[in-house]
Amino acid sequence: DIQMTQSPSSVSASVGDRVTITCRASQGIRNYLAWYQQKPGRVPKLLIHGASNLQSGVPSRFSGSGSGTDFTLTITSLQPEDVATYYCQDYNIGPLTFGGGTKVEMK
Amino acid sequence: EVRLAQSGAEVKKPGESLKISCQASGYNFAYDWIGWVRQMPGKGLEWVAIIYPGDSEVRYNPSFQGQVTISADTSISTAFLEWSSLKASDTAMYYCTRREDGQPFDAWGQGTMVIVSS
Repeated sequence: DIQMTQSPSSVSASVGDRVTITCRASQGIRNYLAWYQQKPGRVPKLLIHGASNLQSGVPSRFSGSGSGTDFTLTITSLQPEDVATYYCQDYNIGPLTFGGGTKVEMK
Repeated sequence: EVRLAQSGAEVKKPGESLKISCQASGYNFAYDWIGWVRQMPGKGLEWVAIIYPGDSEVRYNPSFQGQVTISADTSISTAFLEWSSLKASDTAMYYCTRREDGQPFDAWGQGTMVIVSS
């Protein structure tokens, strides 16, 4: 089975900072990579699909890149409302595996 | 608008059975995948199982195979997740979620909390 490894597991940043989260697949998954945001006590929300395509309504400060095994989620200017845990997910052919999550906190 | 309305929280004892539900609206239920994601307290997301209601094709996360059963009733646009014998380790929030073929989960239910305790 494909393993999805996220790093870091947590990050603390200030308002306006650039935050980068990485996700590595144990095998190539082309661009079948999604990113989800889960705010504390809330339901997960799809942010990005196809590795780099923003879901409708997602602020443009979020962006995704990568293909194959290495992917990145970037928040260009962190806002207080971005405090959340972010998960990557492989939605290629097999099990729909999630990464372990990255908790983004405000300094 | 796609909407997934889940059944309410459950408190059960070990060994008991349980069936939770997710009623879908706003799209053609038979022709998109619908599934379940588990989140144990303070932990991450784990995909449990998905079903294609149109032909009842099912796929299970190997970690959950044999532990739960997913089903769907197209006449009432509702998906189910069932346990025959609950364990304390089944205590978690369970989210219903939809995916179009070849796409990620783009709609989520509000979650059903399942607590298994003696």
